[in-house]
Amino acid sequence: KNEVEQSPQNLTAQEGEFITINCSYSVGISALHWLQQHPGGGIVSLFMLSSGKKKHGRLIATINIQEKHSSLHITASHPRDSAVYICAVKSFSGGYNKLIFGAGTRLAVHP
Amino acid sequence: NAGVTQTPKFQVLKTGQSMTLQCAQDMNHEYMSWYRQDPGMGLRLIHYSVGAGITDQGEVPNGYNVSRSTTEDFPLRLLSAAPSQTSVYFCASSRGETGQAFFGQGTRLTVV
Repeated sequence: KNEVEQSPQNLTAQEGEFITINCSYSVGISALHWLQQHPGGGIVSLFMLSSGKKKHGRLIATINIQEKHSSLHITASHPRDSAVYICAVKSFSGGYNKLIFGAGTRLAVHP
Repeated sequence: NAGVTQTPKFQVLKTGQSMTLQCAQDMNHEYMSWYRQDPGMGLRLIHYSVGAGITDQGEVPNGYNVSRSTTEDFPLRLLSAAPSQTSVYFCASSRGETGQAFFGQGTRLTVV
């Protein structure tokens, strides 16, 4: 079983819809990251959080440490939100702090 | 505002060839790392460095070497390329091990 699981793997939405992507993890963490990867492009960090909730524009990220679960919400989705969204947790393992990545959620938003 | 710069963006190698993927950052970050991204899998850590002169292995280090002679640069060397090293490679940096990570644009490597 992977230490970081994301759901769904693929997501299709119509423009304007509210979107939720989920991330569950099974290890102790110091922080959780949400990343965005556009097709053919690099990876951009959206949020880094260790508790509670963060908001940036139409994006909201929440984390529940007790349940080892985080969600990324996109309000009023737009075609430019189409990308792969990656959850990664920072965990101390094997003698160093490392990022453990989920496999990503591929989001397609249609006009 | 360059951030993390990776070169080249694309590369095709023949089995057995060697090459170096370059990574440079201008944010004075101590922590730098290299990942590979394969279809259906999360990024996996190849090597990392916590400062100039200090490097260590990650999850999948075999077939790769690194060095960190300056704070800015962290090159990744493939000594004898193999088809299993076909992947997309990302370099990342952060202020310390727990800071926000900044990623390069990636290098798509194909070994034939």
